[in-house]
Amino acid sequence: AQSVTQLDSHVSVSEGTPVLLRCNYSSSYSPSLFWYVQHPNKGLQLLLKYTSAATLVKGINGFEAEFKKSETSFHLTKPSAHMSDAAEYFCVVIPTGNQFYFGTGTSLTVIP
Amino acid sequence: DGGITQSPKYLFRKEGQNVTLSCEQNLNHDAMYWYRQDPGQGLRLIYYSQIVNDFQKGDIAEGYSVSREKKESFPLTVTSAQKNPTAFYLCASSLRAQENTEAFFGQGTRLTVV
Repeated sequence: AQSVTQLDSHVSVSEGTPVLLRCNYSSSYSPSLFWYVQHPNKGLQLLLKYTSAATLVKGINGFEAEFKKSETSFHLTKPSAHMSDAAEYFCVVIPTGNQFYFGTGTSLTVIP
Repeated sequence: DGGITQSPKYLFRKEGQNVTLSCEQNLNHDAMYWYRQDPGQGLRLIYYSQIVNDFQKGDIAEGYSVSREKKESFPLTVTSAQKNPTAFYLCASSLRAQENTEAFFGQGTRLTVV
């Protein structure tokens, strides 16, 4: 069975402090993994993707994620949060193509 | 500019009526998808299509129907059989469903049943 689990439904950080959004997946194969961001009443925008190249993936807006096969994790990080980072974040896995599996999302609040 | 266009952005429907949500893409993508988003539930797959004139049910297809007569278009009809249609609907496309490429999303349609 394939699935993706976002470990926190809500995360609050102060502006200028690091962000960590956690994602674990289960897959029988080496999957493709993605992080998307969604601002209120908007579509989803791709932040970054892992497709079996470098395990540390850099994305847009200063975000990055590290693929750890031994831990089946793909956590999203950013060194310093900005007010504009407040949004919903989705971890997505494609086990072997065909369908996207979405986590339930993590709502990030940035406190000024 | 290439992208996915969903229309309308907001839609109101009376109970018992069918309504069709539009999704058009000019990215030359083979695969297209419809998702429903409810608070706290993430995205749930309604239907997807990997090629023209072919589509498959997703996890919550009951009460919905789709067509894929053209590569660039994948309209979703919410029928009166859908018990709780009020939600945010997202359309997406990807280059080829088998190649692990990312999905591109439209801006969504918020459907409200009144």
